[in-house]
Amino acid sequence: GQQLNQSPQSMFIQEGEDVSMNCTSSSIFNTWLWYKQDPGEGPVLLIALYKAGELTSNGRLTAQFGITRKDSFLNISASIPSDVGIYFCAGQYTGNQFYFGTGTSLTVIP
Amino acid sequence: DSGVTQTPKHLITATGQRVTLRCSPRSGDLSVYWYQQSLDQGLQFLIQYYNGEERAKGNILERFSAQQFPDLHSELNLSSLELGDSALYFCASSVLPTQETQYFGPGTRLLVL
Repeated sequence: GQQLNQSPQSMFIQEGEDVSMNCTSSSIFNTWLWYKQDPGEGPVLLIALYKAGELTSNGRLTAQFGITRKDSFLNISASIPSDVGIYFCAGQYTGNQFYFGTGTSLTVIP
Repeated sequence: DSGVTQTPKHLITATGQRVTLRCSPRSGDLSVYWYQQSLDQGLQFLIQYYNGEERAKGNILERFSAQQFPDLHSELNLSSLELGDSALYFCASSVLPTQETQYFGPGTRLLVL
C-alpha cells in the first residue's frame, strides 16, 4: 500500500532546540494527522488538520496542512526530554483509509 | 489513556499456531480498525469494522480474520502463524464509519517463535 515519506528519519537535538519535520505524499489528501508513539505504546494523536493551508497548534507543537495538499509539517518548539519518541504523520482522502508515514525518531539530549 | 483497550499486551507462540487478539473501542465509538506495525513496514492498515459490519479491507492476509461483536468489541484472529507475523498489532476506534480521526489502543506485541 501507499506509504508517506517522512523526513528526517531521525533527529538528535539538544534540549531547548526547535524541531521541524515533514511528510510528503504523491497523492492529495483531505486530512492530515500527526501522532507520537512512545516505545511499546500505541500512537497518540497530537494534531488533526482538515483544510489546505491550515495551521494548528497544540501547546509547543504546531502543524500545517500544505497548500498543495500533498504535504504537512510539524514543528516542536523548545524541546524537552519527554518529547522523545517516534512521530508519525497520516494522510487520508475522504472516505478512504489512512496512510501512515515512515516515522521520525526524535532524541532529545538533556 | 485513549480509552481503547487491547488484550493481551504480550503474546508468545509458535509457528503454525492460532491466536486471538481482543480490542474494546472507546465508549461511543462504533468503528474499529486493526493495524500491524513491524520494524520494516511501519503501520499497515488491515481491516475496519463499523457497527458489526466489515467496512474496509487493507493489507490483510487470508490467514487473518476479524469480527466485531454486538457489544462493539472486536477480535483479530491470526492463524497458521509464521515468523514474519511477529509484530505489534494495534486497534484504533472512531465514532463514524468514514475513517476519520482515530484513537489507538496500547497494542498487542506478538512474537512467533
